Amino acid sequence: DTAVSQTPKYLVTQMGNDKSIKCEQNLGHDTMYWYKQDSKKFLKIMFSYNNKELIINETVPNRFSPKSPDKAHLNLHINSLELGDSAVYFCASSQAAAGTSRSTDTQYFGPGTRLTVL
Amino acid sequence: AQTVTQSQPEMSVQEAETVTLSCTYDTSESDYYLFWYKQPPSRQMILVIRQEAYKQQNATENRFSVNFQKAAKSFSLKISDSQLGDAAMYFCAYGRGGGADGLTFGKGTHLIIQP
Repeated sequence: DTAVSQTPKYLVTQMGNDKSIKCEQNLGHDTMYWYKQDSKKFLKIMFSYNNKELIINETVPNRFSPKSPDKAHLNLHINSLELGDSAVYFCASSQAAAGTSRSTDTQYFGPGTRLTVL
Repeated sequence: AQTVTQSQPEMSVQEAETVTLSCTYDTSESDYYLFWYKQPPSRQMILVIRQEAYKQQNATENRFSVNFQKAAKSFSLKISDSQLGDAAMYFCAYGRGGGADGLTFGKGTHLIIQP
């Protein structure tokens, strides 16, 4: 029973293409995230979604767009791929709820998607 | 903005010995959480240990324990009886309490276990 799953695990594509990465969690969490890990292993938050609402967007290019059809899914769409988009993308989920007194709960990560843009 | 600093890009330890990984952070918040995540070559991010800032007691999980010094904004990870399976990248991370704005990570420490 995979808690947070991502598909595909590997994605190789040409510059200029549009691609999507899917993420699903079966933990019943109400917040999901996307992180980017660059070639130097540095992890940076890109987006988080709570109850279908975007909570934060860390100045990523607007070629990246998160889409959440329901609480258990947060997909990442990338348009006009560039060489610099090559990285590992991680999805994560937690039970944190923005605007409440609830504390930041532990984030559980998916296996990552290695994106290579040629 | 919060920052997390891991000053040791790489550490090496003999199997069965103890090693300590350093982490410092900077924040103006009073309610926050700190985490250590492990990333083996499989690239899966695995939670090692978590510390609530309001708790004075240091968190412990089996062979893993932390030394949380709130005033100094220091959060080091001690691994006792190191095992070959502990070899991985270790990331220190900060999360703001009461929010869902993601974790801020340090640059990581690559831990090598010598047999």
